[in-house]
Parts: sequence; C-alpha cells; structure tokens
Amino acid sequence: NAGVTQTPKFRVLKTGQSMTLLCAQDMNHEYMYWYRQDPGMGLRLIHYSVGEGTTAKGEVPDGYNVSRLKKQNFLLGLESAAPSQTSVYFCASSLPSGGYQETQYFGPGTRLLVL
Amino acid sequence: LAKTTQPISMDSYEGQEVNITCSHNNIATNDYITWYQQFPSQGPRFIIQGYKTKVTNEVASLFIPADRKSSTLSLPRVSLSDTAVYYCLVGDSASKIIFGSGTRLSIRP
Repeated sequence: NAGVTQTPKFRVLKTGQSMTLLCAQDMNHEYMYWYRQDPGMGLRLIHYSVGEGTTAKGEVPDGYNVSRLKKQNFLLGLESAAPSQTSVYFCASSLPSGGYQETQYFGPGTRLLVL
Repeated sequence: LAKTTQPISMDSYEGQEVNITCSHNNIATNDYITWYQQFPSQGPRFIIQGYKTKVTNEVASLFIPADRKSSTLSLPRVSLSDTAVYYCLVGDSASKIIFGSGTRLSIRP
C-alpha cells in the first residue's frame, strides 16, 4: 500500500495564479484532511471531509476550496494564490473513530511557494 | 478546543530515557490524548494515544495522572533517529485538535 500520496511535491506560483493539490489514499479511509504548516509552526487545519461528497471548514479555510468527489481523493484548490499561502501542505486520512480521536495518516507534503 | 502547553525544546543523549510532559488543564471528559512525531520534511506520524493511566506500545509509553490535566510521553533508550518534533494533541475528534509548536527533541551522541 502506498498510504497517502500528494501531488505535486513542490510548486512555484505567481500571485493570482490558481492551482489544485491532489491527495490520494489507498487505505479506504472515510475521513480526509488538509493542513498547512508554516516554518517553525504546528499544523493548522484548512478543510476536512468525513465522507465522499462532504466537506467542512477547519481553522484556516479562507482562500482555499476543496472537493471530495471520490472516496480516495481529496483536492485542495487555490483560486487566486497569495504570498501568504506560501507554506507546506499536508494531507491526512483516518477511519471514523466512534467516539475517540482518530489516528491520522499523513502524506509527505507539498511545498508551495507563491511569489 | 483543549489548549496544550509543552516545552519548546529538549536535549538528551543516546541511550537515555526521555520524558516530555504536556499540560492540558482544560481537557474535557470525552477528550483523548495523542502524541505525534514529525521529522524534517515529512508529515507527522502517530506514536501513541491514551485516555487515562498508562499506555505502552513498542516505541513509547504514555502516563496520564488521575486528574488528566497533564500527560508524559516517555521514550526509552533514545537514539539519534529520535531527533524530531513531538506534538501533544488533546480532543475527541481529529477535526477539533490543535497542533501547537510541539517540542523539538535533539539527541546527541
């Protein structure tokens, strides 16, 4: 099993450009998450999904959109990139917990630089 | 959302036992305590989770006192490869946890 994979690994954008980050998991997990991590900081939740066709906002959703059309994929879109969105983006997935904190499996990250 | 407080950094030597304590005074009844490890340029990796008392697995132990207002991650006989950032997370759902800045652990030969 590949686990959680992210595409691309690195990308440079100009301010105002758009792009989509792809997350894929082969563990048949119901839940998926997108985080961003700025230098020296912890991860912050952008959006998450508890099932195919559903999405919800996390702590820092502004400037991002997401879609979960297939169970195994979770897409993160930047419609008009800004330098403040320069960060490392991590995707994660988990099974439903049934009442306790879910164990998340993280991807390797996508490093995004917005000029 | 339960706020956690951990030391910013810790240093130790190979072969020593390392204990990292996390304070979470406003932990709720349904909250679990989870620790993750993150190496540079990688995503976090689950280490251990507990609710109360003591939990042990093949890599670490987690000690939680009766009042649950703190927890201690214990890494036995650390090696250079344990150099990483360690996050303490408290919550009843992964969508409600907060990754703070974590504890940067440095292991020296």
